[in-house]
Amino acid sequence: RKEVEQDPGPFNVPEGATVAFNCTYSNSASQSFFWYRQDCRKEPKLLMSVYSSGNEDGRFTAQLNRASQYISLLIRDSKLSDSATYLCVVKGTGGGNKLTFGTGTQLKVEL
Amino acid sequence: NAGVTQTPKFRVLKTGQSMTLLCAQDMNHEYMYWYRQDPGMGLRLIHYSVGEGTTAKGEVPDGYNVSRLKKQNFLLGLESAAPSQTSVYFCASSRGGAVRNSLAKNIQYFGAGTRLSVL
Repeated sequence: RKEVEQDPGPFNVPEGATVAFNCTYSNSASQSFFWYRQDCRKEPKLLMSVYSSGNEDGRFTAQLNRASQYISLLIRDSKLSDSATYLCVVKGTGGGNKLTFGTGTQLKVEL
Repeated sequence: NAGVTQTPKFRVLKTGQSMTLLCAQDMNHEYMYWYRQDPGMGLRLIHYSVGEGTTAKGEVPDGYNVSRLKKQNFLLGLESAAPSQTSVYFCASSRGGAVRNSLAKNIQYFGAGTRLSVL
């Protein structure tokens, strides 16, 4: 089983739609969680950290369910500019602040 | 503020050639990382460093060496390139350090990547 699993998509949605991605992780002792965004042929960039109580940043909402070991990302009112690959990222318990990256979920927002 | 800078951006090697990829960060970060990204595989950690003069192996270290002689620089070397090392290489840095219960110290900032082809 992969440490971090995501549905690769692509998710094709019309502009203005609401879309949600889920991600599961295997290490129950994982400590920190993030969503990164990666545009085609670019580097990953932090979208948002995921707090235990859930958190919102504009149109983006992240949730963490430790009991079921999954993280979700909700995007409301999708924009064309949201088209990208969204990477679920988990920090384990080892040293070096090492992060484990999921393979990503591709989102395509269409007119 | 440049953040994390990688050089070169592109490189083509022949099998058996050697090369060094340079990563420089100007954020005074303690920790630095080298990843490779291949289609369908996601980002995989090659080597990392938790401070000047230290290095450690990641998930896929074979065929690579690293050095961190200065805090701001992290070099990735390929001694004898193989076609299996064709990939996109990303360097990243994070604040790290002894701050407890802080998500901020774990956030990694990436360079723009190096596209390497080994023929």
